[in-house]
Amino acid sequence: GDSVTQMEGPVTLSEEACLTINCTYTATGYPSLFWYVQYPGEGLQLLLKATKADDKGSNKGFEATYRKETTSFHLEKGSVQVSDSAVYFCALIGDPGGFKTIFGAGTRLFVKA
Amino acid sequence: EAGVVQSPRYKIIEKKQPVAFWCNPISGHNTLYWYRQNLGQGPELLIRYENEEAVDDSQLPKDRFSAERLKGVDSTLKIQPAELGDSAVYLCASSLVQQETQYFGPGTRLLVL
Repeated sequence: GDSVTQMEGPVTLSEEACLTINCTYTATGYPSLFWYVQYPGEGLQLLLKATKADDKGSNKGFEATYRKETTSFHLEKGSVQVSDSAVYFCALIGDPGGFKTIFGAGTRLFVKA
Repeated sequence: EAGVVQSPRYKIIEKKQPVAFWCNPISGHNTLYWYRQNLGQGPELLIRYENEEAVDDSQLPKDRFSAERLKGVDSTLKIQPAELGDSAVYLCASSLVQQETQYFGPGTRLLVL
């Protein structure tokens, strides 16, 4: 079945450092790909998404590119802030019209001042 | 606009006791999801509703879990009787019909002793 694998955390960075959180997926079709973020004490919220190969999703300085050849959707940010400390979830919807979202295990990010 | 509301936020019960969680989705969102999130893992879908109809309940342990969405708005998820392994965060999410982006509530953290 469909699955998502993301790098284990926690990831600890200093403010203004570069961030990459790796995400790879397995799906039989052409999934839509997502990054959700969960700030402390809050629900998950959509950070960005991409629906077809080579699409780049971006939001709040974060970017991820849908790479079909490597089945990856890595999350990147050039300069992290303390306020970016959260848990980041990579996810996919593998069946258009089905809307069953498969989530990765999440990667916790700590950013130090 | 109000987000997805869930109650209670925390619940501690003894095993074999019943427990219920309540969710009020974003106004106008026809689709409602219940997820379970175990510690250190991503959310896993339990059931998805389109209006009043449960269109995907394949992952719901029907021997002890039940859900309802009367009138296609609020929803209740029940566990009876609870087991130690049911300790988790129960998330509710909603979306517009046929839209992939889901909006999550803050979750109910359940501890079964």
